[in-house]
Amino acid sequence: QKEVEQNSGPLSVPEGAIASLNCTYSDRGSQSFFWYRQYSGKSPELIMSIYSNGDKEDGRFTAQLNKASQYVSLLIRDSQPSDSATYLCAVKGLGGYNKLIFGAGTRLAVHP
Amino acid sequence: EPEVTQTPSHQVTQMGQEVILRCVPISNHLYFYWYRQILGQKVEFLVSFYNNEISEKSEIFDDQFSVERPDGSNFTLKIRSTKLEDSAMYFCASGGAGGQETQYFGPGTRLLVL
Repeated sequence: QKEVEQNSGPLSVPEGAIASLNCTYSDRGSQSFFWYRQYSGKSPELIMSIYSNGDKEDGRFTAQLNKASQYVSLLIRDSQPSDSATYLCAVKGLGGYNKLIFGAGTRLAVHP
Repeated sequence: EPEVTQTPSHQVTQMGQEVILRCVPISNHLYFYWYRQILGQKVEFLVSFYNNEISEKSEIFDDQFSVERPDGSNFTLKIRSTKLEDSAMYFCASGGAGGQETQYFGPGTRLLVL
């Protein structure tokens, strides 16, 4: 059974701080990794994708991938109250039609 | 910016009734998916569709479920005889343009089976 594990939280950080979200996955064949943000009652919204080991930065967001440790993380710098949401880690195998396997998500609360 | 659209946004139905959920994927995408999310639970894969046929389906996607791409734009999910446990948010996603791996999600249809 291919699994994606995330700490459910809530992760509470003050406004302006760095939020660090972590994810581990069980399938070593996984090739593509995604972070989605989901507000309550809404659909997953893509934040970042990462395919190679190392860091990838996009604005206030940095995704980190370590395939040897089967670990993906997302850092959010200068956290804002509007970042308060559930962050979903999703993992995909090779091939365009392969399904996304989602973690249960980490709920982030950014307080003023 | 192009986006995936879904109709209806909400659907209430009686147990045993048939429902059809509709999606319009992003126009140049090649791969289409249905996922569902029961309240408070993970997003779960149901089915993927490519080149006018199912590529993969999950254990959830039993004989009560079917998908169709009746024309060049719509992608539908049919549940023939709904059960109480089918109550969930159903998300359509599309992707695969230009070899991209990313899947983009529609806003979802909230299905309530009474």
